[in-house]
Amino acid sequence: DQQVKQNSPSLSVQEGRISILNCDYTNSMFDYFLWYKKYPAEGPTFLISISSIKDKNEDGRFTVFLNKSAKHLSLHIVPSQPGDSAVYFCAASWIYGGSQGNLIFGKGTKLSVKP
Amino acid sequence: EAQVTQNPRYLITVTGKKLTVTCSQNMNHEYMSWYRQDPGLGLRQIYYSMNVEVTDKGDVPEGYKVSRKEKRNFPLILESPSPNQTSLYFCASSLKAGTDTQYFGPGTRLTVL
Repeated sequence: DQQVKQNSPSLSVQEGRISILNCDYTNSMFDYFLWYKKYPAEGPTFLISISSIKDKNEDGRFTVFLNKSAKHLSLHIVPSQPGDSAVYFCAASWIYGGSQGNLIFGKGTKLSVKP
Repeated sequence: EAQVTQNPRYLITVTGKKLTVTCSQNMNHEYMSWYRQDPGLGLRQIYYSMNVEVTDKGDVPEGYKVSRKEKRNFPLILESPSPNQTSLYFCASSLKAGTDTQYFGPGTRLTVL
């Protein structure tokens, strides 16, 4: 059963507008969440993260919101730029036995930003 | 330059012919991991290693082997490849597992005929 879900396989947005990518999770043990961006023919690169003790983390044009009660997080990109066109993966992790856990990835959302 | 390297980048092989995909990192990271990416399935973990000589299965380990004899290298071994192992493979490393940023290699596209 999928523990991290990205229900939108694709999203198309006009340049300059806001892009909102959504992610849901089922495991309440998750306490750390990350977003990775992937361009074709490259490996994923880290974008932004958030700990479960926060509900928002901002880095330039990128903001991640976490709603623990709904087990939902979202990535906002404002303003969207054509260079943001990529596949975005949501990932989650948890702490166990004093060690950090492995990352569980969603299936990804392909964002297309039209000029 | 801090990086994760994988070789080969592209490989076409036939069923049953043993192959190894190498992975090396120069960041002195303890944690390393292998993923495969398939259309509609996202990134799925194959194996991971918390440190030298410590490896464990991920979500899809069947048909794969790994070893971690030294910190920088984490090869992925397919003893008898089958067509369902045709995929895009990524190696990743981080200082430790979980909350530390994972750095990914450029990927290896494997086709098994």
